[in-house]
Amino acid sequence: DTEVTQTPKHLVMGMTNKKSLKCEQHMGHRAMYWYKQKAKKPPELMFVYSYEKLSINESVPSRFSPECPNSSLLNLHLHALQPEDSALYLCASSHPGQLGSYNEQFFGPGTRLTVL
Amino acid sequence: AQKITQTQPGMFVQEKEAVTLDCTYDTSDQSYGLFWYKQPSSGEMIFLIYQGSYDEQNATEGRYSLNFQKARKSANLVISASQLGDSAMYFCAMREGPPSGSARQLTFGSGTQLTVLP
Repeated sequence: DTEVTQTPKHLVMGMTNKKSLKCEQHMGHRAMYWYKQKAKKPPELMFVYSYEKLSINESVPSRFSPECPNSSLLNLHLHALQPEDSALYLCASSHPGQLGSYNEQFFGPGTRLTVL
Repeated sequence: AQKITQTQPGMFVQEKEAVTLDCTYDTSDQSYGLFWYKQPSSGEMIFLIYQGSYDEQNATEGRYSLNFQKARKSANLVISASQLGDSAMYFCAMREGPPSGSARQLTFGSGTQLTVLP
């Protein structure tokens, strides 16, 4: 089962709202990633969790707050977003390399976020 | 300098024909990995094929093959017998360093939009 799920599929929120994006995988992967993607552009890495610990934060504004409650679940909490934060938010996970994988990342379908 | 360069913003191919999508990379690491992903308009990034820097043979996965030319630092994706469902954005990506026991970042190219014509 090579599936990463993300909810919701679409989200519209105002600049004063608080919302959360959810990502789940049951492949036993121990690395999970959040990306932001604008139309016709490559994904931009936001955060990396490795063994449930935040290992990389690519200077993301504090209005984005990640959380990894367990090895299968990754959340992205949103607060006081700006219209320029409207984008596709992708979650990915990868297997540890020493178990024979290449660290290939498996992506979820994404959440299309619109900030009004 | 760009680490991953995809010079073709858009490509067209006739159904059932083969197409090559270009990718060049830049790294000083001896061990690295190269990936191709497909992204349909629905948004999901689909992993297609992988080539390790020490792999002597070109990777193949069904209709996908990777033309790996290490000296030229190129890793072109070849899609044989194109189908209408192959219309999508294609991204080349690189992992620098050997596979890791934890997380590894990928560097993505700017992508190539492929359109398959009936």
